[in-house]
Amino acid sequence: EIQLQESGPGLVKPSQSLSLTCSVTGYTITSGYDWSWIRKFPGNKMEWMGYISNSGSTNYNPSLKIRISISRDTSKNQFFLQLNSVTTEDTATYYCARFIYYSGDLDYWGRGVMVTVSS
Amino acid sequence: DIQMTQSPASLSASLGETISIECRASEDIYSNLAWYLQKSGKSPQLLIYTVNRLQDGVPSRFSGSGSGTQYSLKISGMQPEDEGDYFCLQGSKFPPTFGGGTKLELK
Repeated sequence: EIQLQESGPGLVKPSQSLSLTCSVTGYTITSGYDWSWIRKFPGNKMEWMGYISNSGSTNYNPSLKIRISISRDTSKNQFFLQLNSVTTEDTATYYCARFIYYSGDLDYWGRGVMVTVSS
Repeated sequence: DIQMTQSPASLSASLGETISIECRASEDIYSNLAWYLQKSGKSPQLLIYTVNRLQDGVPSRFSGSGSGTQYSLKISGMQPEDEGDYFCLQGSKFPPTFGGGTKLELK
């Protein structure tokens, strides 16, 4: 069974960087499919943030392009999100998910981790 | 970005009632639309992809339809386990964009 689990600090100060890890079990992230980060804001608006492909290339939502970086550690079957220069508007629940590039579908998701940006 | 307008924002349904949720895209998304359900405290789950294809394990009371800019999700016979937040996602044009969500409750 494919499972994804997000981890990382629940509180980040404004102007600092947010760093999250997605640990994947039951599937190797280099085997196929791509891997994405999504966030859900208070009030339930959702935003697709970006993905890392099974070959390691990345693509980001243009709205975040100058602040976001997605990387991976294939030896640990993990991928990561870094979001720089955060503000209170980055307060959200962050999810990782398996991403099907040609359709945009997200077929397996983690449970999400809530991150608050506050001083 | 393509804007996805989802309605209604909330819905209360009786046991066995048939309900529909709509998503309207700001431009043609060529049937590249999926529906998701997030139950309280759980991961979102993919219900339907490419308008009307049921993900494995999803009950047949769920169905999807639509084309162009207008799409809908139907639940034929509300069950207690169908409560949760439903949202649509278009994958036709980068970046993928979500509808605003529908909170479905059992009356």
